Amino acid sequence: ELKVEQNPLFLSMQEGKNYTIYCNYSTTSDRLYWYRQDPGKSLESLFVLLSNGAVKQEGRLMASLDTKARLSTLHITAAVHDLSATYFCAVENSGGGADGLTFGKGTHLIIQP
Amino acid sequence: EAGVAQSPRYKIIEKRQSVAFWCNPISGHATLYWYQQILGQGPKLLIQFQNNGVVDDSQLPKDRFSAERLKGVDSTLKIQPAKLEDSAVYLCASSLGPGTGRYGQYFGPGTRLTVT
Repeated sequence: ELKVEQNPLFLSMQEGKNYTIYCNYSTTSDRLYWYRQDPGKSLESLFVLLSNGAVKQEGRLMASLDTKARLSTLHITAAVHDLSATYFCAVENSGGGADGLTFGKGTHLIIQP
Repeated sequence: EAGVAQSPRYKIIEKRQSVAFWCNPISGHATLYWYQQILGQGPKLLIQFQNNGVVDDSQLPKDRFSAERLKGVDSTLKIQPAKLEDSAVYLCASSLGPGTGRYGQYFGPGTRLTVT
């Protein structure tokens, strides 16, 4: 059974600081996703990481994937209040045409002005 | 491009009643997913359709939940009878599907179900 663990689950930080969210998963998978969720809203896709060593950046967010270590990171640079949200990593199940996602519990991020 | 549509957005029912949710995926997306998101948790996959066939329903509580995707487009998810623990947001997502070389699941706004 595929398990996905995120840490930390809760993070309060100040604007201007840097921080990293970690995502570990238990079995081999081809693809890893990062999503953002604002309170009461649906999931917004941030990144799709397709291969070992993949790195993607959008604004102040950068995601990377190490398939050998089964680890992905989401790095926040010089945080701003607008990045306050819950961030989920999700790993694609694989085999038999099934590619549904297994999600972590999410990291609730609060950025203080 | 229109996104994934879901209705209703909110539903309140009493336990043991039945309820149905509707989803219309992004046009051209062959694969459709239903997820359950309990408050404070990540979404959990319930069922995946490829066109109108079921690919994965291993986590669907089949004694009370059912889903169909007639004609390979719209889908409905039904709960009968509902239990208190079914209170959650039900998210529908769609994608072009495996083997297309195009990746990403796009989520609808969700239906928030409260069972009292």
